[in-house]
Amino acid sequence: GNSVTQMEGPVTLSEEAFLTINCTYTATGYPSLFWYVQYPGEGLQLLLKATKADDKGSNKGFEATYRKETTSFHLEKGSVQVSDSAVYFCALSGMDSSYKLIFGSGTRLLVRP
Amino acid sequence: EAGVAQSPRYKIIEKRQSVAFWCNPISGHATLYWYQQILGQGPKLLIQFQNNGVVDDSQLPKDRFSAERLKGVDSTLKIQPAKLEDSAVYLCASSLAGGIYEQYFGPGTRLTVT
Repeated sequence: GNSVTQMEGPVTLSEEAFLTINCTYTATGYPSLFWYVQYPGEGLQLLLKATKADDKGSNKGFEATYRKETTSFHLEKGSVQVSDSAVYFCALSGMDSSYKLIFGSGTRLLVRP
Repeated sequence: EAGVAQSPRYKIIEKRQSVAFWCNPISGHATLYWYQQILGQGPKLLIQFQNNGVVDDSQLPKDRFSAERLKGVDSTLKIQPAKLEDSAVYLCASSLAGGIYEQYFGPGTRLTVT
C-alpha cells in the first residue's frame, strides 16, 4: 500500500544554517505530495505541495521538488530561523476515491540562536 | 474566517470508560476528516465524511469507535469502551470538498487513557 518515510529527528541547527529533511514515498500511480508543519501548541498547517512529477512547491523560503525517478520529496530551506522550530510532516494523497492523506512520522526541527 | 474548532482540548479517562469529541468545521466545508495521531507517529485517517455521508472508514475500529455528522456540519467521534492504546491526539480537519482541496486542521484533542 501507499506509505511515506521521512528522516528521524530531532534535527538541531544553528540559525541561518541550511536545512534538508528527507522524504521518500511508495505509491501506485501519481500521488500528490505535501509538507505540513506543526508549530508548538498549534494545529497542522499546509506548508507546500506538488501535484505532478518535477513540480516544485515553495512557501516561506521552503522548497521541495517532486522527484518521481527517486520517489522523493525532500524539504529544503537555505537559511533557517528560530521561528522555524516545529515538527514537519511529509504526506501523500493517492488516487483512490477518498484522496486520503497518508503521513510520515514527522521530523522535529530545533533551531538555536 | 474562523478555523476548525474542537473540544475538549484535553481529556483523561480510565480504561473501559467512554469519551466523545466534538468538531465544528470551517463554514461551507463539505468534507470532514477525523485523524488519530499517536505520540511519535504521523496522523492516521479514521473516517472521512462528505456532507453527512461516510466516504472512507476503513481504518476506524468499529467495535469501539463511532462517528456521526448530523446535518452535514458538526461531527462527534466516540470511543466506547476506551483502551490504553487509544491514548493519542484526535485531529479534526475540513476541506471545501474531497479530492485535492487543502485540508485545514483543528488544534486537536489530547486523550489520555489510564
